[in-house]
Order: sequence, then C-alpha cells, then structure tokens
Amino acid sequence: ETGVTQSPTHLIKTRGQQVTLRCSSQSGHNTVSWYQQALGQGPQFIFQYYREEENGRGNFPPRFSGLQFPNYSSELNVNALELDDSALYLCASSSPQGPLNEQFFGPGTRLTVL
Amino acid sequence: DQQVKQNSPSLSVQEGRISILNCDYTNSMFDYFLWYKKYPAEGPTFLISISSIKDKNEDGRFTVFLNKSAKHLSLHIVPSQPGDSAVYFCAASLAPGGSQGNLIFGKGTKLSVKP
Repeated sequence: ETGVTQSPTHLIKTRGQQVTLRCSSQSGHNTVSWYQQALGQGPQFIFQYYREEENGRGNFPPRFSGLQFPNYSSELNVNALELDDSALYLCASSSPQGPLNEQFFGPGTRLTVL
Repeated sequence: DQQVKQNSPSLSVQEGRISILNCDYTNSMFDYFLWYKKYPAEGPTFLISISSIKDKNEDGRFTVFLNKSAKHLSLHIVPSQPGDSAVYFCAASLAPGGSQGNLIFGKGTKLSVKP
C-alpha cells in the first residue's frame, strides 16, 4: 500500500510568483485535504477535494486554489506569492467512509518565499 | 482567535515517567478530538482520538482524557520512551462522530524524553 506522497520536498520562490504543489493520495482514498503549517503553528485547513470538486474551504484567499484529478491526486496552486506564504504545506488523504483518524498525511512541501 | 490551544510549547520528561500533554478548546460544538505526533521531515501521524460522548480512551501506553465542562483534554503517555520525543498536536473537529471534516489544530507541544 503506497502512502501519501508530495512533491517537491522543498521549493524557493520570490514574491509575486506562482507555485504548484502536488500530492498523490493513498491507494483507495478519494478525498484530499490541504493544510498550511507556518513556523511555530499548527496546520491550518486550506481546502478539501472530493471527487474532483472542492468540498469545504478554510479562511484562505482565492489566490489559493486547487485541483483534483480522476486518479485522486491533487494540486495546490498559489498565485501572487507573499512572504507570509512561507510554510510547510501538508496534504492528507482519506476515504469518505472513513473516520478522521484514518486521514493520512504526507511529509509536506517546504515553501520559502523570498 | 485560536479555538484549540496548547499552552505549553515544550515538555521534558525522564524515560519511564509519565508525560502529560494538555489541550484547551473554546468551541463547545467540537464533537471529536484527536492527537497527532510529528517527527521532523515527516507528516503528522494519528495517535489516538476521543469522541465528545466519552471521557476517556486508552490505547496501550496512550490515554486521552476529555473534560467537556472545562473544555480540556489531556494525553497521558505511560511509561514515556525516548522514541516518543516528537511534536504532539491536539486537533478538533465539528463533524459528528469523527466523520469527514476538516481538523482544527493547536500549535503543538514538543516532548523530549530523556534516557
């Protein structure tokens, strides 16, 4: 059983640029959630995708957008990067039938905005 | 306004002793609570959970206690082992019975277990 994978591991961008982060969900999982973890903070919910549709969103501006593909992998896109977007971005996959304790996290992508 | 609070950024415990990690919350509508453990360069991994209809859940060395009137939960690790050294996150969900929904995390507590 393949776990949740994320790419790239690290990324450095400059303010104003755009970035795309990728997540492959665990086998059998069709729901992907994205979280932002700033330094010294806990993960904050960005949004969730289920069957290629956005299924819930946290308090993040529209320049944070996402996609889910038919194979349930997902992308997080951030436009017009700001310095405060520097963080660890985590994705978590789950099945809609499963409880929250079966939401599995990937290792994250560390984004640095200069 | 932080809905889930972990007021101790760090905790140091001797191997074999009990570790107690605390978490407070403000939203009385939270229905399900979880603890995650996170090692550096890895994603959070699920440790133990508790529904709001219970006051205790035990799994091996790990026990979570929930005090709804005080809006407080705690994680007890007995006995503590050096491999338990990690950052522990408390998380809560509004979704009933732990069904799908987003998680609201605390800032985490870094536990160090010394041999």
